[in-house]
This record gives sequence, structure tokens and C-alpha cells, in this order.
Amino acid sequence: AQTVTQSQPEMSVQEAETVTLSCTYDTSESDYYLFWYKQPPSRQMILVIRQEAYKQQNATENRFSVNFQKAAKSFSLKISDSQLGDAAMYFCAYRSAAGGTSYGKLTFGQGTILTVHP
Amino acid sequence: DTAVSQTPKYLVTQMGNDKSIKCEQNLGHDTMYWYKQDSKKFLKIMFSYNNKELIINETVPNRFSPKSPDKAHLNLHINSLELGDSAVYFCASSRGVGSYEQYFGPGTRLTVT
Repeated sequence: AQTVTQSQPEMSVQEAETVTLSCTYDTSESDYYLFWYKQPPSRQMILVIRQEAYKQQNATENRFSVNFQKAAKSFSLKISDSQLGDAAMYFCAYRSAAGGTSYGKLTFGQGTILTVHP
Repeated sequence: DTAVSQTPKYLVTQMGNDKSIKCEQNLGHDTMYWYKQDSKKFLKIMFSYNNKELIINETVPNRFSPKSPDKAHLNLHINSLELGDSAVYFCASSRGVGSYEQYFGPGTRLTVT
């Protein structure tokens, strides 16, 4: 079974600075997807960014980018020019690209609480 | 327009009661999911339906029974509620099982006293 680990329970950053959230995962599969979700205090789950394992190029979405290291099974999220609205809990998630009984299932990490200081 | 909606948003009930949480999506998606977020914020999948057929059924007590009357709805019925069932329950949907983007509802906070 796949597992996702976020080793940083909490992180903080000054407004306008850059912060990196870590995520590692364990899988024996070669084809899969990785995601970062944001959960603000409203508790709505918001997709921040996604990465297909077969793509070598790191995904970017405006101020959000990832560092995907497939061999190391590492998938970190970099937030540049942090804003107060970035304060939230961030979840790393894994989804298999293979079929089977777990097809479509998201496996989440434990989450990292990000605080942004003005 | 809310893409994935859940009712109720908050539910407080006593142990032993039976309750339902409703989920509706207006995105035309084929696949719907239920996730549970516990008190430590850990999120775990419970069920998934594709075109009204159950495709994922994680190790969940059989007091939990999902029901999908049509592709746009996936309801969660819980019998004989226990204190440990207190959590936030999220419904989500995606275009298909192979579609990687899942859209989440606002969550239902269930408190069992």
C-alpha cells in the first residue's frame, strides 16, 4: 500500500518570503499522480497543484511550484512571495494511475500547518 | 453555483442515533467519493462510486452505508452512531475514475455526544 509522509507538522513564513513544504511517499508503482491540497480555516479542500509522475518537468502554478524527485520519492511544494491568504493546512496526496480496487483513491499525508506572518 | 454541496454542514447527535449526510454535484461528473477527516486532520477515503456502482470500499464499519440514487448524488447513512464517528466528512467528485482532479464539497462536521 502506498503511504504519504509530511514530516513538518507546522511551518511559518514571513509575508513576501518563500517557504518549502516537504512530502515523501512510498510506492512500488511507476505511474501515479501527486497533488498538493490547501485547507484554509473554512475547511474547504482546494487543489493547489498536481504532478504526473511520467513528466520530468516540475509543475508550476503562479507562485506555487513543486520539486519532484521521482527516484527519491520526494514531492515538495515551494510557495514564493507568500501572502496572508496562503495560511492554511497543506496536504500532499498520492493517486495511483493503475486500475484495480483502489483506482481513483487519494492517499493523503498528515498535513502541514502553514502560518504567514505579516 | 456550488459545484459539490453537502447537507447538513453541521450535525450534532447522540450516540446510538442513525443519521444521513447528503451530497450532490452539479458538474456532470461520473465518480463520487466520501472521505473522513478525523480530529487530527487525517484524511482517509471511505467509499467511491462510479456511475452509481461501488468501486472503492475501504475498511469501514458496516454501520456506514453509502447510497447513490443517481450519478449526481452520493449519500452517507450511518447507523448506531458512536463517539469515534465524530469527524468531518467530505464528499468529492471527479469526471471519471481516471480523471485526476477531485472537487471537494465543504465538509460536514459530525459531532456525536
